Amino acid sequence: SAVISQKPSRDICQRGTSLTIQCQVDSQVTMMFWYRQQPGQSLTLIATANQGSEATYESGFVIDKFPISRPNLTFSTLTVSNMSPEDSSIYLCSVTPGPPDTGELFFGEGSRLTVL
Amino acid sequence: AQKITQTQPGMFVQEKEAVTLDCTYDTSDPSYGLFWYKQPSSGEMIFLIYQGSYDQQNATEGRYSLNFQKARKSANLVISASQLGDSAMYFCAIGNSGGYQKVTFGTGTKLQVIP
Repeated sequence: SAVISQKPSRDICQRGTSLTIQCQVDSQVTMMFWYRQQPGQSLTLIATANQGSEATYESGFVIDKFPISRPNLTFSTLTVSNMSPEDSSIYLCSVTPGPPDTGELFFGEGSRLTVL
Repeated sequence: AQKITQTQPGMFVQEKEAVTLDCTYDTSDPSYGLFWYKQPSSGEMIFLIYQGSYDQQNATEGRYSLNFQKARKSANLVISASQLGDSAMYFCAIGNSGGYQKVTFGTGTKLQVIP
C-alpha cells in the first residue's frame, strides 16, 4: 500500500488566479496520476506524471492549464492555472505502488477547490 | 477504449441486509482488472476490492464480494450485512492488468443505508 498526502485539502480561490496542489507519497513510485472530480461527477484522469519526463495529458487537458511537475519518485505538483468557476472540483493524486501489481490505485485525500 | 457503466444512480438498503451494486464494462484488452472504490462524503477514495480478468474465483474482502461474470461483462459488488457507515458513493473501475495504465471509472452509485 501507499500513504499519500495532499495539500491543500481545500481552498477557495478567486477567478483568474492559479493554485498549486502538492502530492507526497511515503514510498517511491514510478507513475503518479492526477484526477479531477467535478461536483456530482465521476473521476476523470487529467494526466500521468513520470519522474524525469513530461507529463502525459488526456484528451481535453493541456499543459498550459494544468502544468505538472515530478521532481522525484515521491512527489508531484499539479497547478490549476487561470482558474474559472468551472475548475471547482476535487483534485486527486493517485499512485500504483510496487508488485504484485494489480493496478490498484491508492488515492490521496483530495484537494477540494472552490473558484469564485 | 475501456468503459464502465453503473446504471443505479442511487440505492437504499436496510441496515444488516445485503445489497448488490451493478457494474458492466466494455474493453478490447484481453487482460484487465476491475476495481471498486468507496467515496464517503469526506471525499477520499477508498479501495475495496479487485478482480483480475483471469481470476477463476470471485474476489472477496470481508463483507465485500465481487460477482464477476466475464461472459456478461459484469462485475457487481455485493455488500453483506450493511452498516450505517457503508453509506457513500461507490465507483466501479477498470484498468489494464499489470497496472501503470489509465483506470477508467464509472459514474457511481450512491448507497444509503437505512437504520
